[in-house]
Amino acid sequence: AQRVTQPEKLLSVFKGAPVELKCNYSYSGSPELFWYVQYSRQRLQLLLRHISRESIKGFTADLNKGETSFHLKKPFAQEEDSAMYYCALSRGGGSNYKLTFGKGTLLTVNP
Amino acid sequence: KAGVTQTPRYLIKTRGQQVTLSCSPISGHRSVSWYQQTPGQGLQFLFEYFSETQRNKGNFPGRFSGRQFSNSRSEMNVSTLELGDSALYLCASSLTPGANTEAFFGQGTRLTVV
Repeated sequence: AQRVTQPEKLLSVFKGAPVELKCNYSYSGSPELFWYVQYSRQRLQLLLRHISRESIKGFTADLNKGETSFHLKKPFAQEEDSAMYYCALSRGGGSNYKLTFGKGTLLTVNP
Repeated sequence: KAGVTQTPRYLIKTRGQQVTLSCSPISGHRSVSWYQQTPGQGLQFLFEYFSETQRNKGNFPGRFSGRQFSNSRSEMNVSTLELGDSALYLCASSLTPGANTEAFFGQGTRLTVV
C-alpha cells in the first residue's frame, strides 16, 4: 500500500528564515511525488512535481529514494508562503492512477 | 479558462437521506477524481473516472458511488447518510489520467449531516 507521512502538523518560522517541510513516503514501485498548496480561502493547487525538477516560488523538492523522502525547501521564507502544504504520491498512470495525500503541514511565516 | 466547478457549495442533510454532488471539469479535461477531506483523516481518494468509466476506487463503503457523463461532467452520490459523512468533498480534473498530469481542484462542496 502507498502511504505519505508529513510528520509536522504545524510549522512556524520567521520571515527570511529557511523552511523545510518534511514528507516521507512508502511505496514499493517508482512513485511520482507532488507538493500541493492551499492558501487561505483558495482552492488546492499544484506547487511542484518531482519529475519537473523545477523551482516554483523559490521552493524546491528533491526525491531521495534511499530515504524515501520528498522534503520541500525554501531558503528564505516570505509571509505570503503561509499556507497548508500537502505532499502527494501517485503510483503511476494506467488503470490505477490516484493521488495519496499526506495529512498536511500548516506553515506560518511570521513577520 | 474556467476552473473546476462544484455545485452546490454547501449542503445540510439529515441522517438517512441521500445526496448528489456535481462536478464540471475544465473544458477538455476527461479525467475526474473525487476526494473526501476531513480534519481527522485529511484528503482521501474516493474514485476516479475517465471516459465515463470508473477506473479506480478508494476504500469507501458502497454507499458512495459516482458516475461520469459523456461531456465529462461527474456526479457523486452518497446514500443513507451518516454523521461521519460530514466533510468537504473535492473534485479534481485533469486532461488525462496519467500520473504526471496536473490535477486541478474545485473549491469543494461542504456537506454537513445532522
